[in-house]
Amino acid sequence: EPEVTQTPSHQVTQMGQEVILRCVPISNHLYFYWYRQILGQKVEFLVSFYNNEISEKSEIFDDQFSVERPDGSNFTLKIRSTKLEDSAMYFCASSSGGEQPQHFGDGTRLSIL
Amino acid sequence: AQSVTQPDIHITVSEGASLELRCNYSYGATPYLFWYVQSPGQGLQLLLKYFSGDTLVQGIKGFEAEFKRSQSSFNLRKPSVHWSDAAEYFCAVGVDTGGFKTIFGAGTRLFVKA
Repeated sequence: EPEVTQTPSHQVTQMGQEVILRCVPISNHLYFYWYRQILGQKVEFLVSFYNNEISEKSEIFDDQFSVERPDGSNFTLKIRSTKLEDSAMYFCASSSGGEQPQHFGDGTRLSIL
Repeated sequence: AQSVTQPDIHITVSEGASLELRCNYSYGATPYLFWYVQSPGQGLQLLLKYFSGDTLVQGIKGFEAEFKRSQSSFNLRKPSVHWSDAAEYFCAVGVDTGGFKTIFGAGTRLFVKA
């Protein structure tokens, strides 16, 4: 069964540094998402992306965050200047349609020191 | 505003016993409802979904869920729990606010005792 893959599985970064989290969605999916889960808390929506543009974003997704689909397969989340509170598990997801179930990757654990 | 409530933070059941995990949602339109399971250190795996039609939906691993519009509920059930079912379970609602997103409940951690 096709999967969403995320790299790296764990990223450790100094506060203030830029970080890029990478995702390869399922190949025939058209909708892409990022979520985060702070340790012990619920999964929170960050952003959805369709047709090469952001279709929805949460208040968490401020100017420090950006997403990009640089080629036909990758979908990236960039945090420009990381803060301690950005430490979380970041999940990428994709779906074949907006209302269809989203398929999640195994996540990238981001640790900000 | 859209929201999902899972009133039980954790539940412990004996292996072989039945299970019901509660979920209530708040959403003004027809909901798309999901249950996901997360094992430690893993991503979210879809157990089942409800879009329309039959209000009792079957999922993987022997799970089922019943949509009750009058109660705004979508409870997850399994008749006989296995030790491997121990995990965190998330109820979620898919919403369309111009762009699609999934709103998750806080999760219920299931412990299974021998």
